[in-house]
Formats: sequence, C-alpha cells, structure tokens
Amino acid sequence: QVQLQQSGAELVKPGTSVKLSCKASGYTFTSNHMNWIKQTTGQGLEWIGIINPGSGGTSYNVKFKGKATLTVDKSSSTAFMQLSSLTPEDSAVYYCASLGFDYWGQGVMVTVSS
Amino acid sequence: DIVMTQGALPNPVPSGESVSITCRSSKSLLYSDGKTYLNWYLQRPGQSPQLLIYWMSTRASGVSDRFSGSGSGTDFTLKISGVEAEDVGVYYCQQGLEFPYTFGAGTKLELK
Repeated sequence: QVQLQQSGAELVKPGTSVKLSCKASGYTFTSNHMNWIKQTTGQGLEWIGIINPGSGGTSYNVKFKGKATLTVDKSSSTAFMQLSSLTPEDSAVYYCASLGFDYWGQGVMVTVSS
Repeated sequence: DIVMTQGALPNPVPSGESVSITCRSSKSLLYSDGKTYLNWYLQRPGQSPQLLIYWMSTRASGVSDRFSGSGSGTDFTLKISGVEAEDVGVYYCQQGLEFPYTFGAGTKLELK
C-alpha cells in the first residue's frame, strides 16, 4: 500500500537549518510529483512547492523561495525539504503529499525556539 | 495568487442532517481540458488532510458516496448527506489550476 513516512519532530534554534525527509513506498516514486505543505494555526495550509522526483525539477511558492529547498534521493525513494535561516515563524507542521494529493505523510512538527 | 474563500457552518450540526460547505475562487478553475481543478479535503482532529473530491466532483478512492461536489468555475459546494460522527473535522477546498496552489481557510464541522 502507498505510504509516505516522514521524519520525526524537530526542535531547532533560530538561525539554523533543518532537513525533513519523506520516504515513499507502494508506488513508483519517480513518476509522481511530491508536494510540500506547511500548516499553522494562524495561516492554515500553505503550499510550499513541488518536485518531480524523476527529473529533480522544482517549482516553489514565491513566499518560500530562499526558505525551502526540495531535493530527492531516487535510490531510497525519499524526498527532502531543507528549511534555512529558521525563525519562530517557521514553527509549523510540515506535510509531504503525492499522487495528486491523494496520499499525505503523517506530518512533522518543527519548533523553532532558543 | 488565486484566493479561496470558504463559508461557515451553523455548528453544531445534528447527526443525520445534510450540510453544504461553500467555497469561492478569485479566478475560474475551469481549464481548457474541460476539468475544473478544485479539490476538497477533510482533516480530522490530529490527522493529516484526506482527499475527498478532485476535479470538483470526482470522489477519491474509498470516499463515501455521502460526499458530493458540485459547482461552476468559481463557486463550489461540498455536500455531506447525513452527517455522521466520523465526518467531524475541518474541511478545506484547494485550487490545483496554477502555482502556487492555494487552500481555503477551512470550514469546521461539529456534531451536536
């Protein structure tokens, strides 16, 4: 069955970076785009960007350009999102989603605090 | 960016009642291929969003036929026929027409 397994919760300090992972199984990883979504209580759901695992091609929401970097490792069917120069405003739950948003990871909570 | 605006429900809703959730987009989501790129999701408490409806009116795999989607290019409705306890949560609409994909703010459904 299709699964998107995300890495565990992160507590990180302001100004640092964090790299989140999303391991896919049960479908052809390289044939389906992977989306990343941010969820906060205040801003709701925000689409961060999308990556084509086959080509590595990406598109980003302008709001997250320079903040998020999407990559993949085809050998392990894993998608990654690196968030840089973290501030408290980056504290949120982050999801990966694929197959036309039909499948979502369980979400990972990132807390940015000194 | 396309702005998605959702309506509210008169919570709490009695079990068994039918409800409609509205969503409006700032731009037509009807594409030249004849499809309307509007998705509906349910996020139950503590869970990830679940896709209910795509292309405005097509139910996702495994979704109860109590859920139905309809609309035009800019005005959309998700109808739940006979609300049950498992339907409690927040409903989101989302446009998939153009980047950046955007979501509505959500509509909460509470059961009486």
